[in-house]
Amino acid sequence: QPVLTQPPSASASLGASVTLTCTLSSGYSNYKVDWYQQRPGKGPRFVMRVGTGGIVGSKGEGIPDRFSALGSGLNRYLTIKNIQEEDESDYYCGADHASGDNFVVLFGGGTRLTVL
Amino acid sequence: QLVESGGGLIQPGGSLRLSCTASGFTFSSYEFHWVRQAPGKGLEWVSYISSDDSSIYYADSVRGRFSISRDNAKESLYLQMNSLRAEDTAVYYCVRVSRMGAFDIWGQGTMVIVSS
Repeated sequence: QPVLTQPPSASASLGASVTLTCTLSSGYSNYKVDWYQQRPGKGPRFVMRVGTGGIVGSKGEGIPDRFSALGSGLNRYLTIKNIQEEDESDYYCGADHASGDNFVVLFGGGTRLTVL
Repeated sequence: QLVESGGGLIQPGGSLRLSCTASGFTFSSYEFHWVRQAPGKGLEWVSYISSDDSSIYYADSVRGRFSISRDNAKESLYLQMNSLRAEDTAVYYCVRVSRMGAFDIWGQGTMVIVSS
């Protein structure tokens, strides 16, 4: 089953852009991942799904156009432009894996985004 | 929306039943997951149930101890947790699966504390 790896932290200044990365383990380059945002003290919310062809389907409810995503090889990226204070959150990537009679959902360890 | 209940403080080895009540959509048409988050930690998938409960899956960490179920007439999802351990301490989220398989609606979570 795949392993999803995320850097533990990232930072960006107000109004700047930042790209968060989720890296799939070798052999899983065809997997799509879902990005989730978790603001402090809140539950997660769906941001968008991304594969190597880019965004899959629609963004989550209320996700602004400043959020976009791309995929390349084993990496899945979430880019936030014109960062606002409310973007300061933990961001998780997730993917499901089915093999035979088994099914699991994996999450990356999360990246804490700090807005400077 | 999804509203969880049933969390609380329980001694190791004890049992607890979490409930999740849905509103605003046709509950019976959707699949659901339980996802948990230990204090200060990342997201961990717990269990999945299909719309007609014909398919059920569990994480290795809870298999044999937890049981997921649903009552479509009551628009409710459940998680029966037995033989609880300290490492089961977490906020437990009820999560709806969108048509494309993403976790599109999350409840506010219910806290479970396993401690003597």
